[in-house]
Amino acid sequence: DAGITQSPRHKVTETGTPVTLRCHQTENHRYMYWYRQDPGHGLRLIHYSYGVKDTDKGEVSDGYSVSRSKTEDFLLTLESATSSQTSVYFCATTGRQGGNSPLHFGNGTRLTVT
Amino acid sequence: DAKTTQPPSMDCAEGRAANLPCNHSTISGNEYVYWYRQIHSQGPQYIIHGLKNNETNEMASLIITEDRKSSTLILPHATLRDTAVYYCIVRPDSLGGGGADGLTFGKGTHLIIQP
Repeated sequence: DAGITQSPRHKVTETGTPVTLRCHQTENHRYMYWYRQDPGHGLRLIHYSYGVKDTDKGEVSDGYSVSRSKTEDFLLTLESATSSQTSVYFCATTGRQGGNSPLHFGNGTRLTVT
Repeated sequence: DAKTTQPPSMDCAEGRAANLPCNHSTISGNEYVYWYRQIHSQGPQYIIHGLKNNETNEMASLIITEDRKSSTLILPHATLRDTAVYYCIVRPDSLGGGGADGLTFGKGTHLIIQP
């Protein structure tokens, strides 16, 4: 959807190791978002970006950092993965700010921290 | 502090119209009604959105009541591939100057299309 590719699709890692998830989009969208989805919690916003090098925190940002050095790429980094970060991570993009511009989502990365 | 209320689950026969209700009685004048769906193991898929008027696209129709306190998503000819969790979301129109501008997902309605 909307040319969004998330990589890797699946990853298993050990507690304490760094992990980077990548979101790549081909739509030249300015706004990009990282969400996590857990049973009983729905989708929760981690971080978002409103332009190259412009990022801000979402609802559940502790333990995560992001970077956006190019329009098309938005990286999510877990500096030291914990078991509580086991989740499915979704990236989303939109071209304009405002309620009239739908977000489009990638197909997710399933991360397991053992 | 959910802004929308949806039934947790619904059934619909294949080939019939699926009508999914949503209550959003506290909606503000600058808030849009959005519908997404999520098929198992996939990302949320945008379906349709509207502000005041009814909307139709190739996937569905959105009927918003005149007082905007509720809406109905209509899938005109449901197929087995429409089995999914459907989310009704109220989304504010950003006034600019930054802000998350994201979506807040609730629990949604699990729609099951029966053969």
